[in-house]
Amino acid sequence: DAGVTQSPTHLIKTRGQQVTLRCSPKSGHDTVSWYQQALGQGPQFIFQYYEEEERQRGNFPDRFSGHQFPNYSSELNVNALLLGDSALYLCASSLKPYPPSGYGYTFGSGTRLTVV
Amino acid sequence: GIQVEQSPPDLILQEGANSTLRCNFSDSVNNLQWFHQNPWGQLINLFYIPSGTKQNGRLSATTVATERYSLLYISSSQTTDSGVYFCAPENSGTYKYIFGTGTRLKVLA
Repeated sequence: DAGVTQSPTHLIKTRGQQVTLRCSPKSGHDTVSWYQQALGQGPQFIFQYYEEEERQRGNFPDRFSGHQFPNYSSELNVNALLLGDSALYLCASSLKPYPPSGYGYTFGSGTRLTVV
Repeated sequence: GIQVEQSPPDLILQEGANSTLRCNFSDSVNNLQWFHQNPWGQLINLFYIPSGTKQNGRLSATTVATERYSLLYISSSQTTDSGVYFCAPENSGTYKYIFGTGTRLKVLA
């Protein structure tokens, strides 16, 4: 039973470029949430996708956008990259946006993005 | 939005020692999770604990939602327990889990 898979694992981009990160949720999960974790900080919520729609969004600019596909996988796109976008990007999957008791998030190993 | 405060920020233990990590949150929550992030960055869900007490081996957690705090107990610590521990409450009805700044634990052999 595959867990959450993210690709690529590492990425180096130049300031101003655009990047796409990918996430496949754990089998049986239908909701994907994206987080950004800067070095030494806790993960910060970017947005959540359920039924192919963005359901919730954190305090991130419109340069951050996403998509969810019919097979529940998801992409995170970041345009006009800034040096400050360098971080570990984490994808978490769950069953429904509001997990029933006993369930929680399963996280992928993340994509480490470096902007130079 | 909800504020999440974790204490202590850093903790160094000898192998075999016990510890208690605390998470305070500023608003009512419907859900709360504890995670362990290993040195390679992988976040592992330890507990989903909106209220009450749960135990899993050497770890246990208690959430008192009415008093807006949660505790994570680690007994007989091992070097593999090293890493960062995060609590992440879900602000009631928002469906967003907000992470604290974490407790960095180092267990010495």
